[in-house]
Amino acid sequence: GAVVSQHPSWVICKSGTSVKIECRSLDFQATTMFWYRQFPKQSLMLMATSNEGSKATYEQGVEKDKFLINHASLTLSTLTVTSAHPEDSSFYICSARHGYRGHTGELFFGEGSRLTVL
Amino acid sequence: AQSVAQPEDQVNVAEGNPLTVKCTYSVSGNPYLFWYVQYPNRGLQFLLKYITGDNLVKGSYGFEAEFNKSQTSFHLKKPSALVSDSALYFCAVREIGGADGLTFGKGTHLIIQP
Repeated sequence: GAVVSQHPSWVICKSGTSVKIECRSLDFQATTMFWYRQFPKQSLMLMATSNEGSKATYEQGVEKDKFLINHASLTLSTLTVTSAHPEDSSFYICSARHGYRGHTGELFFGEGSRLTVL
Repeated sequence: AQSVAQPEDQVNVAEGNPLTVKCTYSVSGNPYLFWYVQYPNRGLQFLLKYITGDNLVKGSYGFEAEFNKSQTSFHLKKPSALVSDSALYFCAVREIGGADGLTFGKGTHLIIQP
């Protein structure tokens, strides 16, 4: 299957700093990537849809100025948590769709990034 | 709006016994349905999907799922459980012609006891 690489796996930062998480599709091109957030013992919450070459589409309630998403190429999307605070601590997971928009293809997921804000 | 319900937070099964993890969905039109598995502190791994055709879908690691349109269900099954099947399982739906993203259920912890 297609491989999605996410980096870093773990990050600890001080409150007020910014953290960047990278999501790469290693062996396929992904015009669309998705960023999810997962709280302990809860399901995945879709944060935003990242489209290559255009602005991301954010879900209701997600602060676009706090969670900056950039999808500069067909294989890379980044999520930057700006001015992070302890409540931003979570498990962030990216996913990419293999195929063109509207295709029935399943999503392939990165390994996730555990963010801890002190 | 689309939604997925996984009614069981946890399912306990003895090793070697058959297992079922339940999932029901709600969409306005026709669905694409998926099952994913997640191990601790890991991303999600794709197990299987239903797009069209045969209602019984076979996937990875011996898992299968049956699409039942009248009951709007897509239960995950395996004839003989392994201890290594213990993980968190997510059912997901996407409406045909709808938004790109998947809507996930809350997940079901599957615990296989030796």
